[in-house]
Amino acid sequence: AQSVTQLDSHVSVSEGTPVLLRCNYSSSYSPSLFWYVQHPNKGLQLLLKYTSAATLVKGINGFEAEFKKSETSFHLTKPSAHMSDAAEYFCVRTGGYNKLIFGAGTRLAVHP
Amino acid sequence: GAVVSQHPSRVICKSGTSVKIECRSLDFQATTMFWYRQFPKQSLMLMATSNEGSKATYEQGVEKDKFLINHASLTLSTLTVTSAHPEDSSFYICSARARGSGAPLEQFFGPGTRLTVL
Repeated sequence: AQSVTQLDSHVSVSEGTPVLLRCNYSSSYSPSLFWYVQHPNKGLQLLLKYTSAATLVKGINGFEAEFKKSETSFHLTKPSAHMSDAAEYFCVRTGGYNKLIFGAGTRLAVHP
Repeated sequence: GAVVSQHPSRVICKSGTSVKIECRSLDFQATTMFWYRQFPKQSLMLMATSNEGSKATYEQGVEKDKFLINHASLTLSTLTVTSAHPEDSSFYICSARARGSGAPLEQFFGPGTRLTVL
């Protein structure tokens, strides 16, 4: 079955330190993959997407993710966290019939 | 570009009443719109896929008679929660795929509608 697993439900970092949000996907083929961010009571904003081009994808706000087929992973990273990065992050993959399949989400907390 | 709006952003209603939520693509034509619901501290769950001019396709477990979807134009889809009950209280989010999009798999999300049923 097609699925997305976000390995951490909560991640807490200090401001200025690196961020790593982990995501693994299961599939018999390479899907398109996305990372979205959701601030409280807001809709989703696309951070970046992988669609079979370059495996290292750069997104907005300094985020990037690397597609590793051998590890079926698409981890999200940022070199230096800002307070404004505190939010819920969703790793998403394409499914059949143009559907999107969402991971359970990772809540990122950033401490001063 | 690629802006999706939802109206209302927040609604409170009494149990047994019906509520309509609108989803509009403001600067593009959307052949397909999707409706999701999100319970507190949970992920988004797809409820249905709506194609312009045709009946919506509902996910397993979603009652089509309770969640009426209409996609009458290329820029508007509506979700009506009929005879709402407290367990229908949730955050409803729509998304849209652009017609003729060079990135056909990308969906653009609305800001969501918070429904509270008393």
